[in-house]
Amino acid sequence: ETGVTQTPRHLVMGMTNKKSLKCEQHLGHNAMYWYKQSAKKPLELMFVYSLEERVENNSVPSRFSPECPNSSHLFLHLHTLQPEDSALYLCASSHPGPGNTIYFGEGSWLTVV
Amino acid sequence: ELKVEQNPLFLSMQEGKNYTIYCNYSTTSDRLYWYRQDPGKSLESLFVLLSNGAVKQEGRLMASLDTKARLSTLHITAAVHDLSATYFCAVVETSGSRLTFGEGTQLTVNP
Repeated sequence: ETGVTQTPRHLVMGMTNKKSLKCEQHLGHNAMYWYKQSAKKPLELMFVYSLEERVENNSVPSRFSPECPNSSHLFLHLHTLQPEDSALYLCASSHPGPGNTIYFGEGSWLTVV
Repeated sequence: ELKVEQNPLFLSMQEGKNYTIYCNYSTTSDRLYWYRQDPGKSLESLFVLLSNGAVKQEGRLMASLDTKARLSTLHITAAVHDLSATYFCAVVETSGSRLTFGEGTQLTVNP
C-alpha cells in the first residue's frame, strides 16, 4: 500500500465508449502524474499536475483528457480509444522539488476492444 | 531528449550469485531513482540518488551514481529468489520535473 489508490483496477471498453480512471492520494502531495506502461516499452509520462495546474502534456492524443479537481484527486477521461491504447495506466504523486520520491499506485489495466 | 538505457534487459541468475545492472543516461541529471515492479503490481521505490558518488544499500541491493559518467549501477549480492522482479531506473534532467524511465531489467533468480 503506497497511499496512492487507483480505480478501477481492470477496465475493458469498446472503442466508442467513454470511461474514466480515478486516482486518489492520501500522502499530502501536491504533484500528480499519469504514466502509461505498454508491453515491451518503457513507462511513458503522459501528464503532470502541480498544485492542480497541468504543467506538462507529453504529446498525448486528445482522446485522453486529464482532470485534477484538487491536489488529492486525478482523473483520466477516456473517449474513442484505439486497441493500441490498451496498457497499464499508472498514477503517481510526489512533493515537487528535487529528491522527492514519486509514489505509484497499483495501476489500472485497460483493454480496448 | 533524455534517453535512459538499461542493460541487461533480461537477467537469469542462480541464487547466491552476484550481479550488476547498469543504467546509462544521455543528459545531465540531478536525480536518479531505482524502482522494483513485481508482475501485475505497481512500482516500488528502492533508492533515490541525488549526488555524484552517492551510494545506498538496502539488504542485498546496493545502488551507486556516477554523474560524470552518467551511469548508475544496481548491484545484487548473493541473490535470492525473492529478488525476482523487473527493476527500472528513472532519471530526472537537471532543473526538470519529468521522470524518464529505462526499459527495465527483468531479473529471474533460480534456485
